[in-house]
Amino acid sequence: GAVVSQHPSRVICKSGTSVKIECRSLDFQATTMFWYRQFPKQSLMLMATSNEGSKATYEQGVEKDKFLINHASLTLSTLTVTSAHPEDSSFYICSASEAMGSEQYFGPGTRLTVT
Amino acid sequence: QKEVEQDPGPLSVPEGAIVSLNCTYSNSAFQYFMWYRQYSRKGPELLMYTYSSGNKEDGRFTAQVDKSSKYISLFIRDSQPSDSATYLCAMSPRRGSNYKLTFGKGTLLTVNP
Repeated sequence: GAVVSQHPSRVICKSGTSVKIECRSLDFQATTMFWYRQFPKQSLMLMATSNEGSKATYEQGVEKDKFLINHASLTLSTLTVTSAHPEDSSFYICSASEAMGSEQYFGPGTRLTVT
Repeated sequence: QKEVEQDPGPLSVPEGAIVSLNCTYSNSAFQYFMWYRQYSRKGPELLMYTYSSGNKEDGRFTAQVDKSSKYISLFIRDSQPSDSATYLCAMSPRRGSNYKLTFGKGTLLTVNP
């Protein structure tokens, strides 16, 4: 149980375009989903926290207009990187939590490369 | 000083060795401590968690927390090549989705057959 999927697993896009990454909880309802970014040999850095049906809470330094997060249902959250630049190239990982007091389960990650 | 410090390694050991992985932290509010395993190009997988100080054992894995020293450890006994991965420590003030996790950088472990 507690499986989280992400799609796509890898994406290459041109500078200036937008990319959408999906995060799904497959066998549970996720009231809270988290989006992380991980640069090579670096730790996971939390970008934002989203609760189903409400606006995401962004961490300091994360541009909410650049990283659009939608958590429209209890099983799906999306992260859209708008007007992508090469410095946005990174490994993006989502996690999902069923309810207060429960663990975060991580997705397999999406490797974004902006050329 | 970063909130969580973890030696990135790399750490290379022979199969069957005992592995010791460690993190130190500065925030005394942390009470919930986790270890994640992350294979290359994959998301982290929760291995173990402990609450407050003490030891916890699960098969070949033992997690230790020493809050007085702000030091946590993960021991792997009889290490196997399949244990080769990056191990991340994470911690938070409380358990639950409403408290964000603070991660270490991760230690890259290679177990050689």
